[in-house]
Amino acid sequence: EPEVTQTPSHQVTQMGQEVILRCVPISNHLYFYWYRQILGQKVEFLVSFYNNEISEKSEIFDDQFSVERPDGSNFTLKIRSTKLEDSAMYFCASSEKGDWGGGQFFGPGTRLTVL
Amino acid sequence: AQSVTQLGSHVSVSEGALVLLRCNYSSSVPPYLFWYVQYPNQGLQLLLKYTTGATLVKGINGFEAEFKKSETSFHLTKPSAHMSDAAEYFCAVKGGQEKLTFGTGTRLTIIP
Repeated sequence: EPEVTQTPSHQVTQMGQEVILRCVPISNHLYFYWYRQILGQKVEFLVSFYNNEISEKSEIFDDQFSVERPDGSNFTLKIRSTKLEDSAMYFCASSEKGDWGGGQFFGPGTRLTVL
Repeated sequence: AQSVTQLGSHVSVSEGALVLLRCNYSSSVPPYLFWYVQYPNQGLQLLLKYTTGATLVKGINGFEAEFKKSETSFHLTKPSAHMSDAAEYFCAVKGGQEKLTFGTGTRLTIIP
C-alpha cells in the first residue's frame, strides 16, 4: 500500500539554524500539506500546496517558513532560523484531491528538537 | 471557520467493552468529518471519514462513527475493545477549505 514517507525521523538543531524537512508524498497525489504537533497539543495546520504554489497557510506559517517541491517526488519544509518554540513533530500529508472528503494521508512525522 | 471538541482527553475501557469516543464539531458549511488514530511514535492513520450520504460510516479495525447533524456530533464507537486499540484518537473537520482542523485528541487505554 502506498504511503507518505518523511526524513529524517528526528532532527536536532541549534536555535537560529536552518532546517529542511523532507517528505515523499503518495505518487498520484496532487495536494500536499504540512502540519505540526507541539508535545501535548493538538495537530495544527501549517500550509497546503498545489500546482507548485501555496494554496492556503495558517498564521503560524510566517516568513521563517517556506515549502518547495524541488522535483517530481519530494516536498520540503524549510525553517530559516529556528526558534525554541519550533520544537514539535512535523507531519507531511498528501491527498488525491483538495477540497473534497477523500482524506489526507499522513507520514510518520519528523521530530524537530531546537536547542 | 470550523472547530472540533473532543470530550475526554483520556478514556479507559475494559477489554471486550464498548468504546465510545466523543466528538462535536462546528462548521459554517456542511462538513467533512474524519477520525484518525495515532499509535505511539507513529503518524496519523485515517480510520474513517464522512463526506455525504449514509450517516453511519464504517472504518478499519471494527470502528464506526455516526454523523448527527442535529447534535453536531461524530462520535466514534467500537462494540468490543481490543488491547491493540490503545492509541490516541483525533477527530478532524474540513469545511470548505483544504486544511483539516483537529481536536485535542483522546488517549484510549484498554484495561486487560
